[in-house]
Amino acid sequence: QVQLQESGPGLVKPSGTLSLTCAVSGGSISTSDWWSWVRQPPGKGLEWVGEIYHGGNTNYNSSLKSRVTISVDKSKNQFSLRLTSVTAADTAVYYCAKADRGRYLDYWGQGTLITVSS
Amino acid sequence: EIVLTQSPGTLSLSPGERATLSCRASQSVSSSYLAWYQQKPGQAPRLLIYGASSRATGIPDRFSGSGSGTDFTLTISSLQSEDFAVYYCQQYNNWPPRTFGQGTKLEIK
Repeated sequence: QVQLQESGPGLVKPSGTLSLTCAVSGGSISTSDWWSWVRQPPGKGLEWVGEIYHGGNTNYNSSLKSRVTISVDKSKNQFSLRLTSVTAADTAVYYCAKADRGRYLDYWGQGTLITVSS
Repeated sequence: EIVLTQSPGTLSLSPGERATLSCRASQSVSSSYLAWYQQKPGQAPRLLIYGASSRATGIPDRFSGSGSGTDFTLTISSLQSEDFAVYYCQQYNNWPPRTFGQGTKLEIK
């Protein structure tokens, strides 16, 4: 059974860069699945951030595209999110998730709260 | 981009009752590429239904999904206490982006 675990600093300063890593266990990242980031501001709904395929292909939410980079490290079986120029509006729980053959999100990490504050 | 609109925003029901949640798409979701997720407070979303009507592994058969085109429904036949949560629909037909509905909160009456 695939398991995903997010890690990263819980607090980021305004105008700084948010960096998160998602470690994948129980299976290889080099499959026909896509690996996604989804975020959820406190008390609000889910927002898809972007995703990556093990070959390096990426898709991003157009509202964040200029600030987002998702990368993969196959040797470590993990993928990462980088979001630049953060503001308070980027405060959210960030989840990593697996998209089964690019379809539905069948496995999720537990999520990590990222707060943007000075 | 396909916009998903869920209704109602909040649904108040009692245990044992039947729940019907709606998800309407701004354009047709072909091949029924629609999923439903359940989220409880402090937890990650959990996949319930994919392909509009297929239950994910381990999901009780009181949960069922139906619909096609632009109108989809999640039905919980007889509510259990553990079913009170927020439910989201999500389309994966026309991606990117993957879009979610705004959610329906199912609360105890």
